[in-house]
Amino acid sequence: DGGITQSPKYLFRKEGQNVTLSCEQNLNHDAMYWYRQDPGQGLRLIYYSQIVNDFQKGDIAEGYSVSREKKESFPLTVTSAQKNPTAFYLCASRRGTSDEQFFGPGTRLTVL
Amino acid sequence: GQNIDQPTEMTATEGAIVQINCTYQTSGFNGLFWYQQHAGEAPTFLSYNVLDGLEEKGRFSSFLSRSKGYSYLLLKELQMKDSASYLCATTSGTYKYIFGTGTRLKVLA
Repeated sequence: DGGITQSPKYLFRKEGQNVTLSCEQNLNHDAMYWYRQDPGQGLRLIYYSQIVNDFQKGDIAEGYSVSREKKESFPLTVTSAQKNPTAFYLCASRRGTSDEQFFGPGTRLTVL
Repeated sequence: GQNIDQPTEMTATEGAIVQINCTYQTSGFNGLFWYQQHAGEAPTFLSYNVLDGLEEKGRFSSFLSRSKGYSYLLLKELQMKDSASYLCATTSGTYKYIFGTGTRLKVLA
């Protein structure tokens, strides 16, 4: 079945460590997005990519980095520069000719 | 600027009708999405309005007025499983999405 996968569902890290969140899609979608969601809040855009080897900063990119070497994959690295990394992270993708986004199941990151 | 407003929380009774409002001020507006999100899960697509008017889909309907920067989601015959957060989001020509903070709906028996 086609879809978006994010792994793991729960992730724990010590403060000061970098951590990479995985996002893979087999929908053949061109665009991919990373969002952060804090309790009781909406989604805030971290980074997005319209095509392979290209990506743009969203509203809260500081302390995060991404790569888009393959169409299927858009990993997000949470660096030690991110001051408050504990949150729910959602990856999404969009077909080139459509406005609708499809979301992965999310990764809940807790930094201890 | 870019701004989306929706109520933080609403409560309704099982079997009733509830209307969740959303007002927006976003540049390059293309259309407006409504998503449902249960706690700890990903948002799921409910509706997408591009043109003015009401679109009905089963128990859920969504309305858009582009001139007023206003939308609402109407839920009929409420069920307990409708207890969730409802996110309003706009999209622009650059395919960036702006999300509201969400409305947490509690359905009471």
